[in-house]
Amino acid sequence: DGGITQSPKYLFRKEGQNVTLSCEQNLNHDAMYWYRQDPGQGLRLIYYSQIVNDFQKGDIAEGYSVSREKKESFPLTVTSAQKNPTAFYLCASSMRASGNNEQFFGPGTRLTVL
Amino acid sequence: EDQVTQSPEALRLQEGESSSLNCSYTVSGLRGLFWYRQDPGKGPEFLFTLYSAGEEKEKERLKATLTKKESFLHITAPKPEDSATYLCAVQATAAGNKLTFGGGTRVLVKP
Repeated sequence: DGGITQSPKYLFRKEGQNVTLSCEQNLNHDAMYWYRQDPGQGLRLIYYSQIVNDFQKGDIAEGYSVSREKKESFPLTVTSAQKNPTAFYLCASSMRASGNNEQFFGPGTRLTVL
Repeated sequence: EDQVTQSPEALRLQEGESSSLNCSYTVSGLRGLFWYRQDPGKGPEFLFTLYSAGEEKEKERLKATLTKKESFLHITAPKPEDSATYLCAVQATAAGNKLTFGGGTRVLVKP
């Protein structure tokens, strides 16, 4: 089955720790994205990548880092510099070809800071 | 700056009671407007893409329409399984593949 997987589903972090969220896709999509969702709010873009070894900051990149070493994978690290990391994190992917820009989402990771 | 506002924030419907959700947007140039459905604790599920004013798309009990300033998601004769949060997002021509999301409308359909 083609799709996007995220792991883990739930993640607990102590203050001061870095954690890494996994995102893998087998859709052969060029572009991948990370969003954050807080209760009652829309999705906010953290980072996105249009191609391997290249990525750009989104609207709320402070305290986060990413890498794109493989087309299929786009891990997100939540660093200790992120002041309020408790949220629902969503990974998405899309084909880069024009006219087909729909983003498809993974199941999400819920991060809680203890 | 691109902006998307969805209304109402929440909607309670009786089964069979049709209604509409609104998505108002401000963008420098619209490449596409997207509707998603999100169930609690899950990722958004893609529903529709609309590209130009006057365009309409349908899927089962859902119909999306687009004008130059807003989009509507019409739910006809809803069933309890249509209960979800519906998200609207816009993609501006100058923004590459970036999407700007609205805050969503939570829909509850009671039997």
